[in-house]
Amino acid sequence: GAVVSQHPSWVICKSGTSVKIECRSLDFQATTMFWYRQFPKQSLMLMATSNEGSKATYEQGVEKDKFLINHASLTLSTLTVTSAHPEDSSFYICSARDGQGEGPQHFGDGTRLSIL
Amino acid sequence: GQNIDQPTEMTATEGAIVQINCTYQTSGFNGLFWYQQHAGEAPTFLSYNVLDGLEEKGRFSSFLSRSKGYSYLLLKELQMKDSASYLCAPEKPNDYKLSFGAGTTVTVRA
Repeated sequence: GAVVSQHPSWVICKSGTSVKIECRSLDFQATTMFWYRQFPKQSLMLMATSNEGSKATYEQGVEKDKFLINHASLTLSTLTVTSAHPEDSSFYICSARDGQGEGPQHFGDGTRLSIL
Repeated sequence: GQNIDQPTEMTATEGAIVQINCTYQTSGFNGLFWYQQHAGEAPTFLSYNVLDGLEEKGRFSSFLSRSKGYSYLLLKELQMKDSASYLCAPEKPNDYKLSFGAGTTVTVRA
């Protein structure tokens, strides 16, 4: 079945560091990928929609200059958390949908980001 | 906007049946997903309903009523490994965005 790979799984770094997270669709092409954030014991919150070959669209309240998204190919989207601070510590998860909007969204394994 | 309501917690014994209800109010509706999420892990896909009615897939079944804005996930022959959070996620048309409820934490006891 469709597989989404996310890397890295864990990141621990100092405040002020920029962190890049990769999301790859392994056996299908994804023109659209989604980035979510989840705080402990809370729901997944959609941050942005990553569109191949065009700008990402961000949800209300999400700073586009803080969370840079690049979707340079049909199988790769990256999220860069710029100048990360402790409040950015969270579980970041990407998802992608197989085909032209058909089939379920499949999630990557997530990236646990801890900013010291 | 999206308003999704599901119970916070449910407890059941091994081998039993549990039904997780979800009601939703959405601005546009394409279909509804159910995902399972174990603690510290990403969600995994369980089911997708577009049309009204019951979809059965092994021990898990999902029901949808579009007119009532209602869905349920039925877990049969519960196993310990089914202890997890279950997420109801209606999907918007056109942009295929998902909105997630807070999830229902199911605890299976021996």
